[in-house]
Amino acid sequence: QKEVEQDPGPLSVPEGAIVSLNCTYSNSAFQYFMWYRQYSRKGPELLMYTYSSGNKEDGRFTAQVDKSSKYISLFIRDSQPSDSATYLCAMSAAGNQFYFGTGTSLTVIP
Amino acid sequence: DGGITQSPKYLFRKEGQNVTLSCEQNLNHDAMYWYRQDPGQGLRLIYYSQIVNDFQKGDIAEGYSVSREKKESFPLTVTSAQKNPTAFYLCASKVTSGIYNEQFFGPGTRLTVL
Repeated sequence: QKEVEQDPGPLSVPEGAIVSLNCTYSNSAFQYFMWYRQYSRKGPELLMYTYSSGNKEDGRFTAQVDKSSKYISLFIRDSQPSDSATYLCAMSAAGNQFYFGTGTSLTVIP
Repeated sequence: DGGITQSPKYLFRKEGQNVTLSCEQNLNHDAMYWYRQDPGQGLRLIYYSQIVNDFQKGDIAEGYSVSREKKESFPLTVTSAQKNPTAFYLCASKVTSGIYNEQFFGPGTRLTVL
């Protein structure tokens, strides 16, 4: 079983839709959770960071962590064509190694 | 302007040649990482370094080597022993402070073996 599971998609939505992206994980020691956005042929850009459980909101983006279910989510409200990218989840325990999902490809259609 | 730079952006190599990818950061981060990204496989850890003059192998270190002589620099050498080196290579660095344990990435180097 992989440490982190992420549905690769692809996901296609109309402009203005709410997008929900999810990852599940198996290691209960994970306490640092990240979402990255990666445009084609570019490095991943840190979008959201959450420590432990709970919600975090930043503009149109909301990150949720449910440690009891080992499940994290990223919601994008009022999606825009510029949101079209691959979204990677990542997580870490107290150490130096990070574990990544394989990424979900999102296309927002104008 | 703080950040992570990688050079070159594109690199072509003939089979049997060693090649070195550059990674520099001015974020004053202690830890630095090298990942390889292939389509459908996500990011795989090659090497990481927590401090100067120290580094550890990741999941796919065979055929790669690194050095960490300066805090700002963490070059990766892809040797001729790496059987399938064509990939997108990403360098990252990490800040750890209190509840913060975030990793930041450079723009990447795309290596193609001809």
